[in-house]
Amino acid sequence: GAVVSQHPSRVICKSGTSVKIECRSLDFQATTMFWYRQFPKQSLMLMATSNEGSKATYEQGVEKDKFLINHASLTLSTLTVTSAHPEDSSFYICSARVWTQETQYFGPGTRLLVL
Amino acid sequence: AQSVTQPDIHITVSEGASLELRCNYSYGATPYLFWYVQSPGQGLQLLLKYFSGDTLVQGIKGFEAEFKRSQSSFNLRKPSVHWSDAAEYFCAVGEDDYKLSFGAGTTVTVRA
Repeated sequence: GAVVSQHPSRVICKSGTSVKIECRSLDFQATTMFWYRQFPKQSLMLMATSNEGSKATYEQGVEKDKFLINHASLTLSTLTVTSAHPEDSSFYICSARVWTQETQYFGPGTRLLVL
Repeated sequence: AQSVTQPDIHITVSEGASLELRCNYSYGATPYLFWYVQSPGQGLQLLLKYFSGDTLVQGIKGFEAEFKRSQSSFNLRKPSVHWSDAAEYFCAVGEDDYKLSFGAGTTVTVRA
C-alpha cells in the first residue's frame, strides 16, 4: 500500500517549452501533496504544498508563475514547469500524505533536462 | 525555524560491520522525525519514523534509530550492513503542518 507514482520518469525538452509532471497516489487518497526539487548530490528542497481543491502554497523563493501546481483530485497533482530553462534541470520529487497520517509517501521522481 | 544537520557527508563501512548515521535537529516543539533512504535515481523510501512514545524506533531492513531529546539527535543504526545498504540516507524533521525539512544527506558506501 501507499504507492505514489510519477510520470514521466525522465523528460528532455527544449528551452522555452513547458513540461507537465504528474504525481498520483495509486492506492490511497492524498489530501496533501508536496513537490520537492533535488539538485545533484544535494538534499530535497520543498517547493510547494498542494491541498486538494485549493491553491498551492509556495515556499519562499519559488516562482509560482513558473512552477504551476494543480491538485484537482485526491489522487492526482501536477507540476508544470513553464518556459523551462536549463537552470530548471533537476530531479523533481512529489510526495503524498493521507490526512489521518503524518507520514509522507514519495514518488520515484522525475528527472528534467532542459536543453 | 526548523533545521536538520547530518554531520557526515560520506561514510564507508565494510560489509557486516555496524553503521551509525548521525542526525541533529533544531525545532522548538516535539518534532516528527524520519529517516529515508534513496537509491541512485530513485525516490525516497521511509525507513522509520518517530512521533512519540518509545524513543528507540525499529524500522525496515534492520534499521533502528534512537531519539534523544537532550542531545536533539535522532541517529540511525544498523548492526550489520549488507552491500545493498549502499545508498543516500536522509534525516528529516516535520512541522505541525507536515512539511518536511531534510538534512543534506549521508552517502553510505559498503566495501566487500
